[in-house]
Amino acid sequence: AQSVAQPEDQVNVAEGNPLTVKCTYSVSGNPYLFWYVQYPNRGLQFLLKYITGDNLVKGSYGFEAEFNKSQTSFHLKKPSALVSDSALYFCAVRDRPSGTASKLTFGTGTRLQVTL
Amino acid sequence: EAQVTQNPRYLITVTGKKLTVTCSQNMNHEYMSWYRQDPGLGLRQIYYSMNVEVTDKGDVPEGYKVSRKEKRNFPLILESPSPNQTSLYFCASTGGGAGYNEQFFGPGTRLTVL
Repeated sequence: AQSVAQPEDQVNVAEGNPLTVKCTYSVSGNPYLFWYVQYPNRGLQFLLKYITGDNLVKGSYGFEAEFNKSQTSFHLKKPSALVSDSALYFCAVRDRPSGTASKLTFGTGTRLQVTL
Repeated sequence: EAQVTQNPRYLITVTGKKLTVTCSQNMNHEYMSWYRQDPGLGLRQIYYSMNVEVTDKGDVPEGYKVSRKEKRNFPLILESPSPNQTSLYFCASTGGGAGYNEQFFGPGTRLTVL
């Protein structure tokens, strides 16, 4: 069975500082990995994904994530946080061998709070 | 504008009163899914549909029904709602059957069952 862990319920960072939101995963084969963001009273929005190739993936709003196969991690990063980045972030995984869109497993979410 | 719409956005009901939450997408996506979001539990999949007339259970299907008679619509039906179904519900769609495609989410429906 596939699973995702987001070990931090909340991450606090000052504006202008780098941020990291952690995610580790477990799948039987090779993974497809995703990050989504949820702003208050909104649905989830896609940020970025890892399919194959370069381990460093760049996405929307200046976010990036690094795929680390040996550590089974896919941490979300941004070099300089903005107050407007404050939101709930979800990591998600799909087991590649299944190949279909049927099963996407989400983590429990990490709330990012960026302060002035 | 490409989007997933859900109605209603907010609903307060009583135990046992049947309700339907509608979901519609205008992107001609084959795959659609329903999730519920609860604090500390993240998003859990209720049901999904790979195409018209093809549906299957997700992780938490008990107490829910779905149908997929048209490609664009995927309603969620609660035949006899109970308080433990109070939650935030999201519909999502994905183009194609490939596992690497991202999902597009609706704005959510906040359901309270008294």
